[in-house]
Amino acid sequence: DGGITQSPKYLFRKEGQNVTLSCEQNLNHDAMYWYRQDPGQGLRLIYYSQIVNDFQKGDIAEGYSVSREKKESFPLTVTSAQKNPTAFYLCASSILTMAGNSNQPQHFGDGTRLSIL
Amino acid sequence: GENVEQHPSTLSVQEGDSAVIKCTYSDSASNYFPWYKQELGKRPQLIIDIRSNVGEKKDQRIAVTLNKTAKHFSLHITETQPEDSAVYFCAASKRNAGKSTFGDGTTLTVKP
Repeated sequence: DGGITQSPKYLFRKEGQNVTLSCEQNLNHDAMYWYRQDPGQGLRLIYYSQIVNDFQKGDIAEGYSVSREKKESFPLTVTSAQKNPTAFYLCASSILTMAGNSNQPQHFGDGTRLSIL
Repeated sequence: GENVEQHPSTLSVQEGDSAVIKCTYSDSASNYFPWYKQELGKRPQLIIDIRSNVGEKKDQRIAVTLNKTAKHFSLHITETQPEDSAVYFCAASKRNAGKSTFGDGTTLTVKP
């Protein structure tokens, strides 16, 4: 089955700790995205990547970091600098056309729910 | 950057009635407008999308209309069923932007 796999489903972070959320896709999509979802605030973009070894900050990148060493993988690290990390995190991917047009549907993973201990 | 406003934030209808959710966008260069449905505890999934070269698109009980002049687009669900209950998100993006901007979502409840 093709799709996006996020792990773990639930994650707990201690004060001062960095944690990494995994996102893997086997859809052969070029573009990948990380969103944070809080109640009543929709999907806010953290980071996105259109190609291996390149990524851009989204609207709320502070306190987060990413890497894109492989096309199928886009892990997100929530650092200790992120003071309010409790949220639902969604990873997504999409096709890019030859012209780099990002106007294609996004496919989402099942999400990771991060909480503070 | 792009700003997308979505209304209403909550919507309750009786089974069989129609539901309409509206989104407005700020960037006139935006040309792709998808709608996603997120059931409780599940991932968002695309239900319908529209590009700026058409004004309306329909798929069974779901339709989307686009008014480029007024910069708004709407989701129409007819003959609603309890399984339509979910959070619906609109989004907008423009060519080569590399990303989409999402609305804050509408929680639709269909009462049997």
